[in-house]
Amino acid sequence: AQSVTQPDIHITVSEGASLELRCNYSYGATPYLFWYVQSPGQGLQLLLKYFSGDTLVQGIKGFEAEFKRSQSSFNLRKPSVHWSDAAEYFCAWGDGNKLVFGAGTILRVKS
Amino acid sequence: GAVVSQHPSWVICKSGTSVKIECRSLDFQATTMFWYRQFPKQSLMLMATSNEGSKATYEQGVEKDKFLINHASLTLSTLTVTSAHPEDSSFYICSARGGTSGYNEQFFGPGTRLTVL
Repeated sequence: AQSVTQPDIHITVSEGASLELRCNYSYGATPYLFWYVQSPGQGLQLLLKYFSGDTLVQGIKGFEAEFKRSQSSFNLRKPSVHWSDAAEYFCAWGDGNKLVFGAGTILRVKS
Repeated sequence: GAVVSQHPSWVICKSGTSVKIECRSLDFQATTMFWYRQFPKQSLMLMATSNEGSKATYEQGVEKDKFLINHASLTLSTLTVTSAHPEDSSFYICSARGGTSGYNEQFFGPGTRLTVL
């Protein structure tokens, strides 16, 4: 079965520091890959998505992600974190129909 | 564009009662809607997929007689939790997708917090 792994449950970074959230997927074919952000008690907002083409994807709010087929990874990055980025981040795999989500990574930002 | 709403945003009910949650696509026609369940500090788990005018397809382990899904129009899907029990307390999120071919993005509602006493 398809699975998405986010190895870090919690990450704390200082405001202004860089951020990388890890995501690995297990499926052979070229996947659709996504990063979503969820604030407490809220639904999900799409940050960015990868379907094909350029492996470095730019998203909203200054986020980017890089697809590495050899590592089955799709890590999310941001060069300088803002306090408002504190939230939970979900990586997801899609097959054109359903989405499979990772367990999520809670980002805490310290001032 | 691509706004999905859910109603109510939160609901508290007594054990044994039924609760209906609505999911609406406000500015597009949703040929497919998805219902997810999210337990505290956990990820979203897909419960079922519904196509307008068809019976919902439930994921393994989800009781279709307990979680009734109706997708009677292209802008509305409902999830009814029948004979709710405290273990059904959770955050329920719907998403909606338009189009019938190729890849189409899912747009998520804000979620409904269900608490069963």
